[in-house]
Amino acid sequence: EDQVTQSPEALRLQEGESSSLNCSYTVSGLRGLFWYRQDPGKGPEFLFTLYSAGEEKEKERLKATLTKKESFLHITAPKPEDSATYLCAGLMNSGGYQKVTFGTGTKLQVIP
Amino acid sequence: DAGVIQSPRHEVTEMGQEVTLRCKPISGHNSLFWYRQTMMRGLELLIYFNNNVPIDDSGMPEDRFSAKMPNASFSTLKIQPSEPRDSAVYFCASSFPYNEQFFGPGTRLTVL
Repeated sequence: EDQVTQSPEALRLQEGESSSLNCSYTVSGLRGLFWYRQDPGKGPEFLFTLYSAGEEKEKERLKATLTKKESFLHITAPKPEDSATYLCAGLMNSGGYQKVTFGTGTKLQVIP
Repeated sequence: DAGVIQSPRHEVTEMGQEVTLRCKPISGHNSLFWYRQTMMRGLELLIYFNNNVPIDDSGMPEDRFSAKMPNASFSTLKIQPSEPRDSAVYFCASSFPYNEQFFGPGTRLTVL
């Protein structure tokens, strides 16, 4: 069964304290790995797509990386406005159509 | 583009009533997804359309739930009759095939 698991469930950081969020996946034929940010009361907002092991993408204080088994979202010197829930999702081909499986998310709180 | 549009944003109804949620995807996107999000179960895929055709409805909880996509710019998710356990936030998302999904703001449904 295709699974996407995120850890930790929750993370509390001091402002400026760098850390990483983990997304491990067991899916057959991964076509891509998505990262989203979700603020309370809003829909998930797209951040990155990673397509192959070794790929990295950056946006401001965020950097996403991908290996054959997991993806990391590195947060460098976070600020309070980075507080949100971060979701990852695996994209695969299922019977000729796309299938996306979301993890349950990591709730990040950055304290001033 | 205005992004994915959902209506209503909030819906409060009584058990047994019919509920209809509406979605307008991003113009040009030919994949449309309906999700349900709760604290307990996270983000669950209910149904996925490709070119207005339902591809995967395995996530639809039971026969009380139905979804239609009569044309490329409109979709509905209907619950009849509604039950308190249907209370959740319902998201619509759209994408090009095998690309990142863009989510709407969601409909918060409360069934009393």
